[in-house]
Amino acid sequence: DTGVSQDPRHKITKRGQNVTFRCDPISEHNRLYWYRQTLGQGPEFLTYFQNEAQLEKSRLLSDRFSAERPKGSFSTLEIQRTEQGDSAMYLCASSPGLAGGPTDTQYFGPGTRLTVL
Amino acid sequence: DQQVKQNSPSLSVQEGRISILNCDYTNSMFDYFLWYKKYPAEGPTFLISISSIKDKNEDGRFTVFLNKSAKHLSLHIVPSQPGDSAVYFCAASARNSGYALNFGKGTSLLVTP
Repeated sequence: DTGVSQDPRHKITKRGQNVTFRCDPISEHNRLYWYRQTLGQGPEFLTYFQNEAQLEKSRLLSDRFSAERPKGSFSTLEIQRTEQGDSAMYLCASSPGLAGGPTDTQYFGPGTRLTVL
Repeated sequence: DQQVKQNSPSLSVQEGRISILNCDYTNSMFDYFLWYKKYPAEGPTFLISISSIKDKNEDGRFTVFLNKSAKHLSLHIVPSQPGDSAVYFCAASARNSGYALNFGKGTSLLVTP
């Protein structure tokens, strides 16, 4: 298993454009998380999926953001009408999601660096 | 509101000595704590974790201590090696929020030869 992968690694876009990122989790991991990290900060939680169900969304996730995990495997994060404030590293993580398990460690991908001009 | 705080932005330690990284949290619902290591242009790499039912967890050179009454945890690295130089993030999660991680701002560790 090669770990969590994300595509693309870098994205430069103009303000107002839409962008979509993809995350492939570790196989058979039931939970998938999206985080955003800006300079000088730790990662901030955006949303997570248990299989294909999106169970929680942070208030950071504005209406311009949407995430899907249609078959419970890979996930996409779309940002519509991008703004300069969306420039950040977008990180995906997956975990086994074992029922009732508190020790559910999240493993991160390399991230997608978004720059909005 | 920052629920996990790492008050030292940076730390410099000589090779072979002990590195101690500190972390404080405010949310008493947190029941699982993790440390991640991050190199530039990479995602965080899981290092070690501890459940709230324990006060210590050890893995090789890395030991995490949890003091629940003080809402404080620390990561000890002994002996420190130059390859340990990276940014270390403390993270905490709670069962009632799906174990979404709350991260501190990180501490940049530099281990000098």
